[in-house]
Amino acid sequence: DGGITQSPKYLFRKEGQNVTLSCEQNLNHDAMYWYRQDPGQGLRLIYYSQIVNDFQKGDIAEGYSVSREKKESFPLTVTSAQKNPTAFYLCASRRMDKGNSPLHFGNGTRLTVT
Amino acid sequence: AQKITQTQPGMFVQEKEAVTLDCTYDTSDPSYGLFWYKQPSSGEMIFLIYQGSYDQQNATEGRYSLNFQKARKSANLVISASQLGDSAMYFCAMREGYSTGGFKTIFGAGTRLFVKA
Repeated sequence: DGGITQSPKYLFRKEGQNVTLSCEQNLNHDAMYWYRQDPGQGLRLIYYSQIVNDFQKGDIAEGYSVSREKKESFPLTVTSAQKNPTAFYLCASRRMDKGNSPLHFGNGTRLTVT
Repeated sequence: AQKITQTQPGMFVQEKEAVTLDCTYDTSDPSYGLFWYKQPSSGEMIFLIYQGSYDQQNATEGRYSLNFQKARKSANLVISASQLGDSAMYFCAMREGYSTGGFKTIFGAGTRLFVKA
């Protein structure tokens, strides 16, 4: 079955360390997205990518970096510059050929930084 | 700038009754799409229903329907015959048309629905 895989499900890091969250999709979708969700809040867009080797900043990109070397993969690095990295991170993808195509989400990675 | 507002942090509904979750939006783009997603306690996001800005009829998908009032910029989700499994967080989301990029989807703060037995 096609889908989006995020790993790991839970991640713990010490303050000051960079950490990379994995996101892989086999849906053949062109666009991929990273969202951050804080308790009781909605999703905020971090980065998105429409094609390989291209990506754009979302609303809260500071302290994060991404790469898109392959269509299937869109890893997110949370750097030590991110002031409040503890959150639930969701990766998503969608088709670009239809305007009404919904986002397909992975199961998320819960990052805790102490 | 585009914005999504969900004013109900939490809602209670009796099992088998209908419930309406409110969503208002703001955009200057005449072409946009509105989405509703469900997030159970497990965390995954599940797509429920879509309404395009040019759609003449309100969208329906099984027990879900969207009460779309374009002039009032509202897109309320109606869940009929509530079930215990409907207890979850519900998010309203909007994507603007290609005239303004069309690649970003923004989300409201969500409404937590509790279905009582």
